[in-house]
Amino acid sequence: GAGVSQSPRYKVAKRGQDVALRCDPISGHVSLFWYQQALGQGPEFLTYFQNEAQLDKSGLPSDRFFAERPEGSVSTLKIQRTQQEDSAVYLCASSLVHRAVTDTQYFGPGTRLTVL
Amino acid sequence: GIQVEQSPPDLILQEGANSTLRCNFSDSVNNLQWFHQNPWGQLINLFYIPSGTKQNGRLSATTVATERYSLLYISSSQTTDSGVYFCAVEGDGGSQGNLIFGKGTKLSVKP
Repeated sequence: GAGVSQSPRYKVAKRGQDVALRCDPISGHVSLFWYQQALGQGPEFLTYFQNEAQLDKSGLPSDRFFAERPEGSVSTLKIQRTQQEDSAVYLCASSLVHRAVTDTQYFGPGTRLTVL
Repeated sequence: GIQVEQSPPDLILQEGANSTLRCNFSDSVNNLQWFHQNPWGQLINLFYIPSGTKQNGRLSATTVATERYSLLYISSSQTTDSGVYFCAVEGDGGSQGNLIFGKGTKLSVKP
């Protein structure tokens, strides 16, 4: 079956521009996570959704970062007024169950954001 | 928060050699996964293994939860095994399920 998909795969933005990154999770998956991966590092947690509810946004680095999942399926991560330190790969992951029961997380291919 | 340490940070092997990658974690975990990140950046699930031993072809993994470590074994390595191997855990201290990643082991398999 189809895995997690993300678009665009690559995004170049000028400093100060707004960007929107899309994630299509595996159909039927309840949980959706966003992670940020800087060059040479492991992914770091940004935010978590259970269906349409954003239950944890403790990892978002600033109020310029905003995520939504209005219908409990597709999610969008928006970054306003991008800065050079936002350059990273943004990964989306989904899992079948909600947080009370752990399960395998499946990752998308990521969006590589470069801010000039 | 929970700390995840992976060793070695870098590993160079000749094709056909075996290797062991280690992951230590600082607290009890509900979830532990091993991933392979290929040169294109895709994180590929290898094992979901909060405890016990699993095998999949040339790869196997063992997690000893009581001693807070996990091992990933790669046998008869191939050049396609090159990439970065990540261990990631979910703590059992009321987290929302997000994974905490180690810094990874970068594996290079030479022909």
